Amino acid sequence: DIQMTQSPSSLSASVGDRVTITCRASQGISNFLAWYQQKPGRVPNLLIYTASTLQSGVPSRFSGSGSGTDFTLTISSLQPEDVATYYCQRYNTAPLTFGGGTKVEI
Amino acid sequence: QVQLQQWGAGLLKPSETLSLSCAVYGGSISGYYWSWIRQPPGKGLEWIGEINHVGGANYNPSLKSRVTISGDTSNNQFSLKLRSVTAADTAVYYCSRGLSIAAAGPLGFWGQGTLVTVSS
Repeated sequence: DIQMTQSPSSLSASVGDRVTITCRASQGISNFLAWYQQKPGRVPNLLIYTASTLQSGVPSRFSGSGSGTDFTLTISSLQPEDVATYYCQRYNTAPLTFGGGTKVEI
Repeated sequence: QVQLQQWGAGLLKPSETLSLSCAVYGGSISGYYWSWIRQPPGKGLEWIGEINHVGGANYNPSLKSRVTISGDTSNNQFSLKLRSVTAADTAVYYCSRGLSIAAAGPLGFWGQGTLVTVSS
């Protein structure tokens, strides 16, 4: 199966900072890559799909890029409400697999 | 707007069968892909499997021998059964729907989650 590796596993940044999370696939997945945000005690929420398409209602400070094996999620100006764990997920073929998650703190 | 409402037993003994159901409101299960995902306490997300509108199902190879996902079009719901559970199956279980009709992912709609604990 194709493995998804996220880095870092956690980070701490200040309000207003630019934050970047990376996700690497063990094989090429084209742009079949999604990012989810999971706030503490909450259900995961889809942020970005097809690597760079912002889901409806998601703030524009979130962006995604990449194709093939290397992807990034960027928060252009970190806000207090962005404290969460972020997961990447590939969905080109079954089984769908998630990265291990990146915990973002302020 | 699609809403998923899930339910099922929250406490099981080892070797029992986990059984969860997910009712779909605001859309028919006759289209789209319908998945189950789980999350052990304090850990990451694991995709369990899906059923789809073309009549098929796909499962995570790590669970395939113990899992069945089925659909009930008359009640517009789908279900998960996981046999021979152990403590390692303790997790919050989520039902979910693909964002588009064409594929299982991305997962655009989620149920509220059900904590299932396996303990003797």
